[in-house]
Amino acid sequence: DVDMTQSPLSLSVTPGQSASISCRSSQSLVHSDGNNYLHWFRQRPGQSPRRLMYEVSNRDSGVPDRFSGSGSGTDFTLKISRVEAEDVGVYYCMQGSHWPWTFGQGTKVEIK
Amino acid sequence: VHLVASGGGLVQPGGSLRLSCAASGFNFRRSWMSWVRQVPGKGLECVATINDDGKETYYVDSLKGRYIISRDNVRNLLYLQISNLRPYDTAVYSCAKLAINSVEYWGQGSLVTVSS
Repeated sequence: DVDMTQSPLSLSVTPGQSASISCRSSQSLVHSDGNNYLHWFRQRPGQSPRRLMYEVSNRDSGVPDRFSGSGSGTDFTLKISRVEAEDVGVYYCMQGSHWPWTFGQGTKVEIK
Repeated sequence: VHLVASGGGLVQPGGSLRLSCAASGFNFRRSWMSWVRQVPGKGLECVATINDDGKETYYVDSLKGRYIISRDNVRNLLYLQISNLRPYDTAVYSCAKLAINSVEYWGQGSLVTVSS
């Protein structure tokens, strides 16, 4: 199975500042079709996860453009610019390039 | 998109149960679906996937034989049958609508607790 390692595991951010979360995979996520199936989710307390980004850098509907994703192969980053109070939660990366699909361990984002 | 799982509860080790997921708000019969689980306070795992017509299924290797995913495209229902339950099967089980090589929507889960 592909191991997904996130860092940091927790992050405390001042509103208006930026935050970055790293996700590294134990194998390349370049699929045979050329795409990197690396996605980002956020889980707020008491809620199910919600997908924010798909295929590295595509924002899902309703996701503010403060969120951006980058990377390829084994190294990926989610950046949140101008952090707001509503951004709190646990962020997970997920790979869909190899079955079984696997998730990172999560990064808890708190607001100072 | 609305996905609601049910059928969880307290089960003794060695027991079985069937989880159901009611789907609405999208074309269920054309959608690949999965069951995902989350151990309380811990990580996420996609345990089983089924294609749109139900003829293809995929499982995490360690769960093969005990987990069976199925679907009813007439009633818009997804199922997960789990047998020989063990304490480490304790988790919140949710169904998910898939997009290409991704979970797209994650539904409301059902807690399964395996304990004597």
